[in-house]
Amino acid sequence: QSALTQPASVSGSPGQSITISCTGTSSDVGSYNLVSWYQQHPGKAPKLMIYEGSKRPSGVSNRFSGSKSGNTASLTISGLQAEDEADYYCCSYAGSSTFYVFGTGTKVTVL
Amino acid sequence: QLQLQESGPGLVKPSETLSLTCTVSGGSISSSSYYWGWIRQPPGKGLEWIGSIYYSGSTYYNPSLKSRVTISVDTSKNQFSLKLSSVTAADTAVYYCARLDYGDSDAFDIWGQGTMVTVSS
Repeated sequence: QSALTQPASVSGSPGQSITISCTGTSSDVGSYNLVSWYQQHPGKAPKLMIYEGSKRPSGVSNRFSGSKSGNTASLTISGLQAEDEADYYCCSYAGSSTFYVFGTGTKVTVL
Repeated sequence: QLQLQESGPGLVKPSETLSLTCTVSGGSISSSSYYWGWIRQPPGKGLEWIGSIYYSGSTYYNPSLKSRVTISVDTSKNQFSLKLSSVTAADTAVYYCARLDYGDSDAFDIWGQGTMVTVSS
């Protein structure tokens, strides 16, 4: 099972919106509405930002939103802020043989 | 507030077995809504799910690591553990333990701080 494909880097200016894609296959992203997104600052543990494709845990800013179309999930960050600069990883359930697969990760830079 | 803390040797020799423990505090590992998992991250690289366990002892593993991985649980100590055998330099990574909220989000919602394990002679 290969990792889900994400762009290596995405950048934007403060206040702008950016979108990170997460491309899988019909065996993972395309088959289940179980994509989660994690934010990771340098030297820190990942933090859950989105689950079940588009739901936000309590305490996560509504500037973060998720969606899915076919085999591709997306994370959008609106009103980009300096504190959003971090690495972001998607993760999908992939069935009862593979279980969970992470994305390759995307470095978000705030210009 | 639930917290997870990894512990174990930071240096393991090639061909030996890596052993780590995750201690859960502020809540019970025996809750029916959660699985408990291990995830690793090699230096400068992405995340890789290793495997997960339910408090009853039911496990499931990453197929690519399954032949070398054993995850166990000790409910009396509120801990779960990872053993990875026949390690090589490729197993050098930060190892995280995390809670999988199986009953609600089906996502890893609480993470430990991570522990760096280096495989070297």
